[in-house]
Amino acid sequence: NAGVTQTPKFQVLKTGQSMTLQCAQDMNHEYMSWYRQDPGMGLRLIHYSVGAGITDQGEVPNGYNVSRSTTEDFPLRLLSAAPSQTSVYFCASSVSGEGTDTQYFGPGTRLTVL
Amino acid sequence: RKEVEQDPGPFNVPEGATVAFNCTYSNSASQSFFWYRQDCRKEPKLLMSVYSSGNEDGRFTAQLNRASQYISLLIRDSKLSDSATYLCVVMWYGGSQGNLIFGKGTKLSVKP
Repeated sequence: NAGVTQTPKFQVLKTGQSMTLQCAQDMNHEYMSWYRQDPGMGLRLIHYSVGAGITDQGEVPNGYNVSRSTTEDFPLRLLSAAPSQTSVYFCASSVSGEGTDTQYFGPGTRLTVL
Repeated sequence: RKEVEQDPGPFNVPEGATVAFNCTYSNSASQSFFWYRQDCRKEPKLLMSVYSSGNEDGRFTAQLNRASQYISLLIRDSKLSDSATYLCVVMWYGGSQGNLIFGKGTKLSVKP
């Protein structure tokens, strides 16, 4: 199993550009989520999904959209990039959303917005 | 926002030392507790869950004190490979979902 994969690994955007961060898992996990990690901050939840067709907002959803058309994929879309969105983005998956399951994280996408 | 507080460190210790980290959490309704390890520029990985009775995994011991709302991680006989940032993670239920709150991490550097 590849586990959780993310693309791209690095990205530089200009303010106002849009882009999609890709996330895929091959473990048949129902629960997937997106976090951002900023220096001096803990990981913060952006959006999550408890299964195909179901998504919900986390702690910091503004400026981001998600969709979950399949169990495997959970892309994160930046609508109009802003410098405040410069961060490291981690996708994670787990068997369920009960919170007691191990979270498996992807390798991260390092995004810089100029 | 529910808070999880950790000493950011860094903790600089020699090989073979014993080192302990504490973490405090603000939400008394928290249900599950974890320690994750994050290497530099890598993703977090589960180190161990923390049970009410305390648990041990090799050189690592985790303990939970619900009354005082803190969690600890003890590392014995530190190895160079233990150098990493250790994230304290607390889960509480909001609605039908478990919500994970991550601490900012404690950085450990083990020196030869």
